[in-house]
Amino acid sequence: AQKITQTQPGMFVQEKEAVTLDCTYDTSDPSYGLFWYKQPSSGEMIFLIYQGSYDQQNATEGRYSLNFQKARKSANLVISASQLGDSAMYFCAMREGRMDSSYKLIFGSGTRLLVRP
Amino acid sequence: DSGVTQTPKHLITATGQRVTLRCSPRSGDLSVYWYQQSLDQGLQFLIHYYNGEERAKGNILERFSAQQFPDLHSELNLSSLELGDSALYFCASSFSSGSLGEQFFGPGTRLTVL
Repeated sequence: AQKITQTQPGMFVQEKEAVTLDCTYDTSDPSYGLFWYKQPSSGEMIFLIYQGSYDQQNATEGRYSLNFQKARKSANLVISASQLGDSAMYFCAMREGRMDSSYKLIFGSGTRLLVRP
Repeated sequence: DSGVTQTPKHLITATGQRVTLRCSPRSGDLSVYWYQQSLDQGLQFLIHYYNGEERAKGNILERFSAQQFPDLHSELNLSSLELGDSALYFCASSFSSGSLGEQFFGPGTRLTVL
């Protein structure tokens, strides 16, 4: 069965510094996708970044980048130049399913990030 | 704003009652997924509908049911509610049942069962 592990329940980072949130995954499917979502205190889930298993390059979206190490089965999120508004819960997720039927997301337990001024 | 709408935002009810949560996907999206977020179980997939048809079921209780209507909005029905059903319920939409699997989440409905 597919599984996502986030080993950091909580993290602190100083404003303007970079921070890495860890995510490891387990799957036997050669085709998969990995996602990061942000959940601020207001509760909504905000899509941040996506990495496909066949993508040759690490995904980047603005201040977010994904450090994808396929052999290690890790997909760490790097946030550069942290801002106070980055304080939130962050979830790593993996796509499970078949393209011709259904995809669902399997989520990790999340990491709570607090940015200090 | 993801473009996915959910109503109501908050719902407080009593044990044994029945409630209906509503979701409207982004314009053009055919797939609707329902997820439950609770303190003890985390974020869990409940059910997926694509263009009116059920495509996959996850950890959805028999007391729960869902449907997707011709206009593509979806409803999640929760009956015989128990205290443990208190949670944040999300719906998410995507264009197809496949593609990247990227899903856009609504703001959620926070259900409190007293």
